[in-house]
Amino acid sequence: KNEVEQSPQNLTAQEGEFITINCSYSVGISALHWLQQHPGGGIVSLFMLSSGKKKHGRLIATINIQEKHSSLHITASHPRDSAVYICAVLGYFGGATNKLIFGTGTLLAVQP
Amino acid sequence: AAGVIQSPRHLIKEKRETATLKCYPIPRHDTVYWYQQGPGQDPQFLISFYEKMQSDKGSIPDRFSAQQFSDYHSELNMSSLELGDSALYFCASSLSQGTHSPLHFGNGTRLTVT
Repeated sequence: KNEVEQSPQNLTAQEGEFITINCSYSVGISALHWLQQHPGGGIVSLFMLSSGKKKHGRLIATINIQEKHSSLHITASHPRDSAVYICAVLGYFGGATNKLIFGTGTLLAVQP
Repeated sequence: AAGVIQSPRHLIKEKRETATLKCYPIPRHDTVYWYQQGPGQDPQFLISFYEKMQSDKGSIPDRFSAQQFSDYHSELNMSSLELGDSALYFCASSLSQGTHSPLHFGNGTRLTVT
């Protein structure tokens, strides 16, 4: 079982739809990142969360520390939102540093 | 605002050659992480540095080495390259290893080994 699991793995939506991507993790964390990666491209950090909720434009990210769960919402989706969305947690592993553990990613395709 | 800079963007090498990848963190960031992402794979943590010292080590092959210099930039040295080393290598930087310091990612270096 992966320490960070995302669902769904693949998601196809029509332009304008409200999209939710979920992330569950099983380790103790200090923070959670939502990342975006376009095909063949680099990674862009969308949010870093340690509690509550953050909003940036059409994107909203929430985290429930007790339930070890986070969600990324995209309102009024657009074809340019098509990308892989990755949940990554900064976990404690007994060492001096925190390691980033990546989820398997959600491939989102928004059709016009 | 300055971002994490990686060079080169693309690199083609032959088997058994060596390669050096560079990462320039955001100014004042003292922590650098290196990740390897194979085709269709999740990123895998390789190694990290804090204040010019190695702070953590992941699944980095013995053929690879890395260091962080006095100006905080980092270099990943890869020797005896194998076909399986073909991947996107990206680095991330943060201010200290602090738990609430945002992580910033570079665009990556795409290495192709032929």
